Amino acid sequence: EVQLVESGGGLVQPGGSLRLSCAASGFTFSSYAMSWVRQAPGTGLEWVSTISGSGGNTNYADSVKGRFTISRDNSKNTLYLQINSLRVEDTAVHYCAKGVIAAAPYYFDYWGQGTLVTVSS
Amino acid sequence: DIQMTQSPSSLSASVGDRITITCQASQDISNYLNWYQQTPGKAPKLLIYDASNLQTGVPSRFSGSGSGTDFTFSISSLQPEDIATYYCQQYDNLRLTFGGGTKVEIQ
Repeated sequence: EVQLVESGGGLVQPGGSLRLSCAASGFTFSSYAMSWVRQAPGTGLEWVSTISGSGGNTNYADSVKGRFTISRDNSKNTLYLQINSLRVEDTAVHYCAKGVIAAAPYYFDYWGQGTLVTVSS
Repeated sequence: DIQMTQSPSSLSASVGDRITITCQASQDISNYLNWYQQTPGKAPKLLIYDASNLQTGVPSRFSGSGSGTDFTFSISSLQPEDIATYYCQQYDNLRLTFGGGTKVEIQ
């Protein structure tokens, strides 16, 4: 059974940093691109970033480029999102999502339960 | 980036009704269009991929069609458990965007 379990969210002040993690199980982690998708309270879904199965290729939404860094440790079956220079508008539930091939996201067949990042002073 | 215009933003229908949601891309995306269902407090769930393919385990009352810039998602007979927000999502050149969502309610 595929499972994605996010952690690392919390309350942080503007300008602060967090590292989100997503522990994966039930599939060959290195064979699939992984992504982060976020959802601000009461709003829709926003793609944040994708990393290829090998970790060699990454892509970011313009809204987070330069502040967020996606990475993965295939030996630990874990996906990460380092979030720096947090802004109030980054407040959102952040979901980890599994792609369907190694090279690109295309779409997401499994999602985690999400972890809430709240940015407030 | 490619923009996705989803409509309507909300709809209300009766149990057993057929409902249809549309999604329009700002440029040709071939069939790289997917549909998700999200119930309150839960993660999205994939229903349709590549415009018209039903994800394993998804009931056959859900369907999708279209290609290029215009896409349609339908529920042939609305059930109480279908109350949710539905999102389209496109993929192009290593980037993804979601439509604004359609909230489906029971009359």
